[in-house]
Amino acid sequence: GAVVSQHPSWVICKSGTSVKIECRSLDFQATTMFWYRQFPKQSLMLMATSNEGSKATYEQGVEKDKFLINHASLTLSTLTVTSAHPEDSSFYICSAWLSSGATDTQYFGPGTRLTVL
Amino acid sequence: KQEVTQIPAALSVPEGENLVLNCSFTDSAIYNLQWFRQDPGKGLTSLLLIQSSQREQTSGRLNASLDKSSGRSTLYIAASQPGDSATYLCAVWGGNQFYFGTGTSLTVIP
Repeated sequence: GAVVSQHPSWVICKSGTSVKIECRSLDFQATTMFWYRQFPKQSLMLMATSNEGSKATYEQGVEKDKFLINHASLTLSTLTVTSAHPEDSSFYICSAWLSSGATDTQYFGPGTRLTVL
Repeated sequence: KQEVTQIPAALSVPEGENLVLNCSFTDSAIYNLQWFRQDPGKGLTSLLLIQSSQREQTSGRLNASLDKSSGRSTLYIAASQPGDSATYLCAVWGGNQFYFGTGTSLTVIP
């Protein structure tokens, strides 16, 4: 089946630094990718929808200048957390949309654990 | 706005029992509903996808049903095993995004 990877799987950084998380669709092209955030023992919350070659669409309450999303190719989307603070510590998950005929399916990455000290 | 709720939030059962997880959603205008499994600190594994026109889907010991008009779905797990211990999430696809439920944390006791 289709595979989505994320890199890194976990990262620890100092407050004030920026962190980039990559999301790749390994064996298919994805014009649309999604970024989610998950706090401990809570469900996934959609942060933004990333479309290849255009600006991302952010959900209400998500700071687009803080969470920079770039979808420069059909297999790669990146999320950069700028000037990270401890409250940004979370589990970030991406998904990629595979459209094949009558069925559209999202495939999820394994997630990236971000800890900001 | 679509809201998805899962009951119970946590469930502990002895090995071998059959169990049912519940999912309800407020807006019946959905394209499909999907059940996922999430192990601690890991991503999501898709278990079953039910299109809006379907009533149920089965995969091995898992059976998911969908009653779109009443806004409900159930995930039935037969003959539970310790390896089934995980958090189970349901999500509805509204056409442009997934709306996730709050999850049910399942523990199967050997």
